[in-house]
Amino acid sequence: DGGITQSPKYLFRKEGQNVTLSCEQNLNHDAMYWYRQDPGQGLRLIYYSQIVNDFQKGDIAEGYSVSREKKESFPLTVTSAQKNPTAFYLCASSTQGSGSQNEQFFGPGTRLTVL
Amino acid sequence: KQEVTQIPAALSVPEGENLVLNCSFTDSAIYNLQWFRQDPGKGLTSLLLIQSSQREQTSGRLNASLDKSSGRSTLYIAASQPGDSATYLCAVKGDNYGQNFVFGPGTRLSVLP
Repeated sequence: DGGITQSPKYLFRKEGQNVTLSCEQNLNHDAMYWYRQDPGQGLRLIYYSQIVNDFQKGDIAEGYSVSREKKESFPLTVTSAQKNPTAFYLCASSTQGSGSQNEQFFGPGTRLTVL
Repeated sequence: KQEVTQIPAALSVPEGENLVLNCSFTDSAIYNLQWFRQDPGKGLTSLLLIQSSQREQTSGRLNASLDKSSGRSTLYIAASQPGDSATYLCAVKGDNYGQNFVFGPGTRLSVLP
């Protein structure tokens, strides 16, 4: 089955802790994205990567970090500098470039709660 | 900066009704527009993708139209069913390389049996 997996489904963080959310895709997509979704709000872009070993900040990157060492994987670390991390985190991927559809596909999400 | 709005924010209809969801965007220089469905606590499921050169796309009971010049898209759902109850989001992608997807806030749809 082709798709995007995220783990864990639920994550609890204590104050001052860093936590890492996993995102893996087997769609052979070049581009990957991390979004944050808060209740009653739309999706906000945290980070995105258009190619391996390269990534760019989105609209709300402060307090987050990412890496893109493999095409299939785009983990997100929520650092202690992120003051309000409780949210639903969604990973997505898409093809990239003018010769492709650039259709975006999403994983099932990780719900992060600060204790 | 691209902004995307969706009207209405919430909609409740009886089963069997045809309905229209609206999506508006401020910058008509888009590469594509995508409609998604999101069930509570779940990820987004892609419903329809319309490229900027297209006027509409259809899948089963769903039909999405795009009027790029006026910055509008509609999602038409025919013969609604309780299983259609979900939040529907639209997203647009800018047509310059590196531009990302901008999402609307969504329309929460309830179809009553």
